[in-house]
Amino acid sequence: DGGITQSPKYLFRKEGQNVTLSCEQNLNHDAMYWYRQDPGQGLRLIYYSQIVNDFQKGDIAEGYSVSREKKESFPLTVTSAQKNPTAFYLCASNRDRNTGELFFGEGSRLTVL
Amino acid sequence: AQSVAQPEDQVNVAEGNPLTVKCTYSVSGNPYLFWYVQYPNRGLQFLLKYITGDNLVKGSYGFEAEFNKSQTSFHLKKPSALVSDSALYFCAVRDLHISYNTDKLIFGTGTRLQVFP
Repeated sequence: DGGITQSPKYLFRKEGQNVTLSCEQNLNHDAMYWYRQDPGQGLRLIYYSQIVNDFQKGDIAEGYSVSREKKESFPLTVTSAQKNPTAFYLCASNRDRNTGELFFGEGSRLTVL
Repeated sequence: AQSVAQPEDQVNVAEGNPLTVKCTYSVSGNPYLFWYVQYPNRGLQFLLKYITGDNLVKGSYGFEAEFNKSQTSFHLKKPSALVSDSALYFCAVRDLHISYNTDKLIFGTGTRLQVFP
């Protein structure tokens, strides 16, 4: 079955450590996205990539980095520069380029201690 | 800039009663609007979308949404609520700018629906 796999599901890290969240899709979608979810704030866009080897900053890119070396993969690194990294992170891909409809992974919950 | 607003943090309804979750939008041009649902610690699931055509859009799990251009609203509705409908609901609008190579969804802050037995 096609889908988006995010790993790990839960991650605990000490303050000051970089962490990388994995996002892999086998849907053959070109565009991929990373959103951050905090209670009461909805989803905020971190980075997105419309095509391999290209990506663009979203609304809250500071303290994050991404790469898009393969169509299937769009990993997100949360760096030590991110001041409040504890959150639920959601990866998505563009299921329909005519409408912009997104398909989401199951999310990764990062807790920084 | 495109935006959506969900004015209610929480909506409570008794099982069997009709439910409405509100969403208003602000866009330049014709809006592409979406509703998603999220269960605890899960990703978002697509419910329905409005692109063009009939103002009443039918979606998954018996949900529908009414597009109202004059009121710039896209409220989610269901004639008879189930306890299993209890979840977090998000409205979203497409932000598309060909010249800037931008294509993304902008989400509202979410509305928690609680259906009581």
